[in-house]
Amino acid sequence: GAGVSQSPSNKVTEKGKDVELRCDPISGHTALYWYRQSLGQGLEFLIYFQGNSAPDKSGLPSDRFSAERTGGSVSTLTIQRTQQEDSAVYLCASSFGTSGWNEQFFGPGTRLTVL
Amino acid sequence: AQSVAQPEDQVNVAEGNPLTVKCTYSVSGNPYLFWYVQYPNRGLQFLLKYITGDNLVKGSYGFEAEFNKSQTSFHLKKPSALVSDSALYFCAVRDPNDYKLSFGAGTTVTVRA
Repeated sequence: GAGVSQSPSNKVTEKGKDVELRCDPISGHTALYWYRQSLGQGLEFLIYFQGNSAPDKSGLPSDRFSAERTGGSVSTLTIQRTQQEDSAVYLCASSFGTSGWNEQFFGPGTRLTVL
Repeated sequence: AQSVAQPEDQVNVAEGNPLTVKCTYSVSGNPYLFWYVQYPNRGLQFLLKYITGDNLVKGSYGFEAEFNKSQTSFHLKKPSALVSDSALYFCAVRDPNDYKLSFGAGTTVTVRA
C-alpha cells in the first residue's frame, strides 16, 4: 500500500484480556516505531525496530507490553492482561532508515479501549 | 535528553489571517525538528522538517517554519489560514544521536470562517 496501515482501527476489550495490534509499514522502510497517544501523557515512544537488529524496548511501560517484527516488515504489538490505563491510541510509524533527517510516516492508529 | 514545549494549548484565528503555532525545544546537539498535523481520527501527517541550512523551511499546504537557534524555537506559520487548517499540530525534535521523536503536547488550531 501507499502508506502505513494498522489494524484493527478500534479495539474494545475487557480488563485482563490480551490484545494484539498490527502494523504494516511502507514497503522498503527498514525502521519501524510504535508510539502511544493518550490524553494524560501525550505522544510517547514505545519501541523501535531497525532491520534485523535487536529492538529498542526502552519505552515500553511494563513487561505486559511486547512487540515483534517478522521478516523485517509487519509488526505486532501485544498487550497482556490489559488494564484501564492502557486505553489509548497506538500509532505505528516507519521511515526509510534511521538517519535523523528521515521523517517518520504514521499510520492511522488503533484506538484501544479497556473496559 | 530532548524535549519540546508547545506553550499554547489552543490557537484561534479568523480565516485569511496569519497563523502561528509556537514551539521551543531542548536538545544536546544540533536538532532535527519536525512539524506534524493530526486531523480527527487520523494519524499524524508530516508537514515539514528542519535538518540544516536555510532557517526558513517550507512544507506542505502552504506552511512554513523558522528555525531560531538562539531562541531554540521552531514556530510554524501560515500567511493566510483556511478553515480546513483546523486540526491538532505537533512539534517534534530528534537528537542526531537518537532515532525516536520527542513530541510536544500539541496545539489545537481552530480557524473560524
